[in-house]
Amino acid sequence: QPGLTQPPSVSKDLRQTATLTCTGNSNNVGNQGAVWLQQHQGHPPKLLSYRNNNRPSGISERFSTSRSGNTASLTITGLQPEDEADYYCTAWDNSLSTLLFGGGTKLTVL
Amino acid sequence: QVQLVQSGAEVKKPGASVKVSCKASGYTFSNYDINWVRQATGQGLEYVGWLSPNDGNTGYTQKFQGRVTMTRDTSIATAYMELSSLTSEDTAVYYCVRVTSGSLNFDYWGQGTLVTVSS
Repeated sequence: QPGLTQPPSVSKDLRQTATLTCTGNSNNVGNQGAVWLQQHQGHPPKLLSYRNNNRPSGISERFSTSRSGNTASLTITGLQPEDEADYYCTAWDNSLSTLLFGGGTKLTVL
Repeated sequence: QVQLVQSGAEVKKPGASVKVSCKASGYTFSNYDINWVRQATGQGLEYVGWLSPNDGNTGYTQKFQGRVTMTRDTSIATAYMELSSLTSEDTAVYYCVRVTSGSLNFDYWGQGTLVTVSS
């Protein structure tokens, strides 16, 4: 099943750092990078990063993204209660000519 | 400010079709693609396809090809997504999303439209 792989859940303590990963292959993440979305329960997703790893206006500096090979990462520093949400990565797949989403990671802030 | 306002919730019977609208405001409608993404309750995001309001070009995920049609009415800055031959598997919230063409910048989302397919 083609797609991007994300860990289903991550739990971290308040004010700690969480790093979420998104693994694809050379046709998607490894080729064109990925972007990250945050979704709070009952709301539409929100864009957290651009493909060049820059942040849209209004997104906290505590959110940063990077890529190494076929894996994209989202790092959230100084975790706050409002960071508790689902996080999705997405990337275009050149081989499949379609957009792929990861299965999402549920971040719990303890 | 940029807004995408979607039509209201729908309840359909299996085999029927549904047409969801997405009205854009606060920007030049033809300058950005409209993408459609759906999410079943408690599940992840699933890509349906894209529409270029500028020329009407579309691209659909293979899973939906033959069942989905995306159109637009530029005179009222509105995009539409019609899905036919509905089954219970199509029960989901459908989102329209503004995207800069050629990028993955899903920067503005509609509020979502719940489509329920039930006999």
